[in-house]
Amino acid sequence: DAKTTQPTSMDCAEGRAANLPCNHSTISGNEYVYWYRQIHSQGPQYIIHGLKNNETNEMASLIITEDRKSSTLILPHATLRDTAVYYCIVKNQAGTALIFGKGTTLSVSS
Amino acid sequence: GAVVSQHPSWVICKSGTSVKIECRSLDFQATTMFWYRQFPKQSLMLMATSNEGSKATYEQGVEKDKFLINHASLTLSTLTVTSAHPEDSSFYICSALSGDNTDTQYFGPGTRLTVL
Repeated sequence: DAKTTQPTSMDCAEGRAANLPCNHSTISGNEYVYWYRQIHSQGPQYIIHGLKNNETNEMASLIITEDRKSSTLILPHATLRDTAVYYCIVKNQAGTALIFGKGTTLSVSS
Repeated sequence: GAVVSQHPSWVICKSGTSVKIECRSLDFQATTMFWYRQFPKQSLMLMATSNEGSKATYEQGVEKDKFLINHASLTLSTLTVTSAHPEDSSFYICSALSGDNTDTQYFGPGTRLTVL
């Protein structure tokens, strides 16, 4: 599976949009971009995934560049409860496990 | 939907004893489940892949005789830590692969194991 690069940490003010970038320049044509987050001492929570089109659900939006070498997760109105480690993972849909990197620690403050 | 539970949520045991952790998919069937562990301030590390009705596949460096995995039904996988030692103290997290074609993994809340 392709490797991803994320900033170590980011800060965001409550109520503002949080834009979390992810680079995946070696992504293959059949690999999807998955985003999960882990709030302290809990299991990871699925957020969203996509192949090449932008995706939106009740939690977030995923913007994937046309060349698919990078993506951005957008939390439109961040709250304190969005403080977590966010993981961007690239993998195909072959039933294999997610492999976690270090992710981005997002701190939302009031 | 897509809820995964784990039991117990935390456990304290004495060195040398065995501990069983259960992972259940509550509202979907999961042919494949995964077990991870996480040490403080580190990311999740994959331990093994559990397939219903067959032997688990372990990652390199994970002792299969120490971490016994049983996936006897489409909704239950168990991890038994045998002869636990203090260095096995960790946060153990399971996940289940969705039964649809999205290949999404849903995670349990985790089990905190402390070995004294």
